[in-house]
Amino acid sequence: KQEVTQIPAALSVPEGENLVLNCSFTDSAIYNLQWFRQDPGKGLTSLLLIQSSQREQTSGRLNASLDKSSGRSTLYIAASQPGDSATYLCAAGGSYIPTFGRGTSLIVHP
Amino acid sequence: SQTIHQWPATLVQPVGSPLSLECTVEGTSNPNLYWYRQAAGRGLQLLFYSVGIGQISSEVPQNLSASRPQDRQFILSSKKLLLSDSGFYLCAWKMGQSRSTEAFFGQGTRLTVV
Repeated sequence: KQEVTQIPAALSVPEGENLVLNCSFTDSAIYNLQWFRQDPGKGLTSLLLIQSSQREQTSGRLNASLDKSSGRSTLYIAASQPGDSATYLCAAGGSYIPTFGRGTSLIVHP
Repeated sequence: SQTIHQWPATLVQPVGSPLSLECTVEGTSNPNLYWYRQAAGRGLQLLFYSVGIGQISSEVPQNLSASRPQDRQFILSSKKLLLSDSGFYLCAWKMGQSRSTEAFFGQGTRLTVV
């Protein structure tokens, strides 16, 4: 059974820092890896999707990488801003079913 | 473009009462549909998923059930709610016929059982 772990569970940083959020998964037989953002009391917003054949994806200040063989993905946030404060979740895409980690709660303070 | 609608946004129900949460997807056909629950301080737990009308797979035994009466409609139900059913319920969809498509989520329903 797929298990997904996210480290750290919480992070508080000053504005402007570059950040790395980590996601690891136990079963490397995934179809994709997806990163989401969740604001308090809201649904999940898709940030980046990396297919299993890809190594990384970029969107603006976000860059996500995938190393299937080692069961790891990282989300890199450049020049963090207070508006980036949210919970970030990763999901390992199995056969039709995404399995989620518990998320990293990020606070970026001015 | 595709959109997903989930309602109600919040719900307070007494123990033992029935439950019906609805989710609909627009702008696509034959989507894969999912119900997740997110309890406080915990990750997303997959409850049910469906790859077609009338096809429901249950991941966690509980007093909840799901139905898919139409292609783009997914309903989560309970005959008698328990206190432990409180949580944040999220509906999601992915394009069908492929295992590697992107997942999209609704805005969630906050259920409090009192």
